[in-house]
Parts: sequence; structure tokens; C-alpha cells
Amino acid sequence: KAGVTQTPRYLIKTRGQQVTLSCSPISGHRSVSWYQQTPGQGLQFLFEYFSETQRNKGNFPGRFSGRQFSNSRSEMNVSTLELGDSALYLCASSLGNNNEQFFGPGTRLTVL
Amino acid sequence: AQSVTQLDSQVPVFEEAPVELRCNYSSSVSVYLFWYVQYPNQGLQLLLKYLSGSTLVKGINGFEAEFNKSQTSFHLRKPSVHISDTAEYFCAVTVTGGGNKLTFGTGTQLKVEL
Repeated sequence: KAGVTQTPRYLIKTRGQQVTLSCSPISGHRSVSWYQQTPGQGLQFLFEYFSETQRNKGNFPGRFSGRQFSNSRSEMNVSTLELGDSALYLCASSLGNNNEQFFGPGTRLTVL
Repeated sequence: AQSVTQLDSQVPVFEEAPVELRCNYSSSVSVYLFWYVQYPNQGLQLLLKYLSGSTLVKGINGFEAEFNKSQTSFHLRKPSVHISDTAEYFCAVTVTGGGNKLTFGTGTQLKVEL
């Protein structure tokens, strides 16, 4: 069974630009969660989607948004990038509530 | 709101020695508890989880953890570590029935030396 895939793996953007990251969950998994990992703030929850609906949301500004498609693939978008948005963005998929979450390798975003 | 405290940011240990990584949590409601491991330039891998039942949980790679409700702790242990266990370890909680939002600790870097 293929694992969680994230594209692209690395991304370099400049301040003010926007970026879209993609996550393909494990086949059959309907829940997709996104996390931001930085040296200063650690691992922080962004949001969770389940059957195309946002089920949970973390404490991030509205510049961070996401969506989930009918095939459970998910995208997250960050608009008006700031230097502080440089981070590893991790996606995790799960069958449902409180089941094990399987993490992808992450997308390393660098904002210059 | 929930919170997780991992008091040790780094733990150096010699190969074949035992190790304990500490985790304490705070929550006003029931939680599920997890330990994840992250190797350099990789995502997170689940080591073990406590949902209910026996308070001693066994995971992969010889790790185990004990849930202690009175002390709100979930410490991770391994009786004999290997060089390949060098990685960062994260303790996490999620509210029972509250979806899949994980709250993570700040992580403990385990460094196994020869």
C-alpha cells in the first residue's frame, strides 16, 4: 500500500507570493490533517479535513487555507508569504476519528 | 485546551543502555496519547499509542510506554538502545472523540553513542 505522498518536496518562494502544497492520503483514508514544523514553534496543527469538510482548525491566520477533494486528496494554500512561514509542512492521513495518523515526508518551504 | 511537556530536550545515552524519555500532559478531558519518532529529513512515524485498556503499551522497535493517569504522564522506555534509535521523539495527545487534532510536545533528541 502506498504511503502518504506530498508534492513538491522542496519549494522556494519570495515574500508576498502565494504557494499551494499537495497531499495524497493512503487509499481509503478520509481524514487529512496538516501540521507546520519549525525550530522555534515545533509541531503545530493547522487544520483537518474529513470527507471534504474542515473538521478542526488550529490557531493560524486566514492566510492559511485548505481544501479536500472528493478523492480525499488535499491541498493547502498560503497567501502573502512571510519569512516566518518558512517551515516543514507535514500532511497526515487517517481512516477516521482517533485512528493512527500516517505522516508524509513533508514539503520544505523556504521564504526569501 | 491540552498541552504536552517534554522536559528533556536532549538525552545522550550509550549503546545497549536503557533509556527513558519523559512526557507529561495536561487536559481537562479524556485524551489519547501517542509517541512518534522523526528521523532526519523524514516525516513522523508512530511508535505506540494509548487509547484505553492496559496502561502498559508496547510499540515498534522494542519501545514501550506506561500511562499514569494520576501523574498525567506517558513516559517512553527502551531497555537497550541501538545506534539506529538516534532520532527526535515526540509525545502527542488528542481529545477523545475530537477528531484527529494532535497537540505535540517540543520533542526530545535521543543521541545514542558508542
